[in-house]
Amino acid sequence: QITLKESGPTLVKPTQTLTLTCTFSGFSLSTSGLGVGWIRQPPGKALEWLALIYWNDDKRYSLSLKSRLSITKDTSENQVVLTMTNMDPVDSGTYFCAHSVKWNDVFDYWGQGTLVTVSS
Amino acid sequence: EIVLTQSPGTLSLSPGERATLSCRASQSVSSSYLAWYQQKPGQAPRLLSYGATRRATGIPDRFSGSGSGTDFTLTISRLEPEDFAVYYCQQYGSSPPLTFGPGTKVDI
Repeated sequence: QITLKESGPTLVKPTQTLTLTCTFSGFSLSTSGLGVGWIRQPPGKALEWLALIYWNDDKRYSLSLKSRLSITKDTSENQVVLTMTNMDPVDSGTYFCAHSVKWNDVFDYWGQGTLVTVSS
Repeated sequence: EIVLTQSPGTLSLSPGERATLSCRASQSVSSSYLAWYQQKPGQAPRLLSYGATRRATGIPDRFSGSGSGTDFTLTISRLEPEDFAVYYCQQYGSSPPLTFGPGTKVDI
């Protein structure tokens, strides 16, 4: 059974760096073809893809946010970490991590999401 | 970057009716790398289909995807009460970035 869970601060101040951790079980990120992605959703708005890391440590980023994002994995701990620098109130929303279908950049298992508010 | 538009924005239907949701891409989606998700309030999205026509594991056969190139459709043959939700399309043929559409809300 595949599960994912996001953790991190619920409130960050403008200009601070956000660090979110995705802890997962039921699969190994050393398995060929697999990846874990991050997707966010402002309240009442659409989904926005942020980043994706693959089993071979290949990384992909949103073009508009690339300069602010970093994604890493710890295979032994079954964790993926996303950092986003220079947070702004427009970055507030729910942040999801998700497991990708093997060899496809679509997401079949999702965490419950974590709500992040950016406010002073 | 491939931009996805979805229509209509809201679809008002009744249980038992057929729902047809459209997703149009600003340029051709290679290899029909187009997926559909369902999201209910307060929940994470649920993958319905990918590869334009391939149903995800455990998804009822009343959900079907079709299309190619720039025009894709999700059809729900007979709406069940639990199908009232927001539906998003996502392309993954041209990455980065992966892009999502703005969503179609199916309500009663």
